[in-house]
Amino acid sequence: QKEVEQDPGPLSVPEGAIVSLNCTYSNSAFQYFMWYRQYSRKGPELLMYTYSSGNKEDGRFTAQVDKSSKYISLFIRDSQPSDSATYLCAPAHSGGGADGLTFGKGTHLIIQP
Amino acid sequence: DADVTQTPRNRITKTGKRIMLECSQTKGHDRMYWYRQDPGLGLQLIYYSFDVKDINKGEISDGYSVSRQAQAKFSLSLESAIPNQTALYFCATSDFTGAGTGELFFGEGSRLTVL
Repeated sequence: QKEVEQDPGPLSVPEGAIVSLNCTYSNSAFQYFMWYRQYSRKGPELLMYTYSSGNKEDGRFTAQVDKSSKYISLFIRDSQPSDSATYLCAPAHSGGGADGLTFGKGTHLIIQP
Repeated sequence: DADVTQTPRNRITKTGKRIMLECSQTKGHDRMYWYRQDPGLGLQLIYYSFDVKDINKGEISDGYSVSRQAQAKFSLSLESAIPNQTALYFCATSDFTGAGTGELFFGEGSRLTVL
């Protein structure tokens, strides 16, 4: 079993829809949970991160972690065509140094105008 | 100018050739990383460096070597390229200070094709 599982998609939704992106993981030592966004032909960039379980909101984006079920979610409200990108979940061990990051394969999201 | 610059951006080479991908950064970060990205496999860590004298293997270091020439420069070499090293390569830096989490700052990638 891979440490981090993420459906690669593509996931295509109409503009304005609520998007739910998800990952599961197997390593209970993960304490930090990052979401990176990668536009076509660009490097990934950090979108959000949370520590341990719970929710974190930033504008139209909400990150949610359920450590009991090892489930990570990213919700996008009022989705826009500019949100079309690949979203990579990246949980990390305690301490959070990037050498402890494990990236999911990424979900390719397409927002249809 | 970009904070993390990779050269070349695209390279086509032949099996058996030596290839060097270069990375330079102006962010002043000590930690630098090389990742490989393949369709369906996500990002895989090749090598990482915490400072000029500290270089570590990642999960897929076989067939690769690195050199940290200065705090700002980190190069990835393929001594004898093979077709399954065809991929998109990313350099990244981190501002990790030992607390919380360190954000990774990526370059724009170097696309390598080995024929």
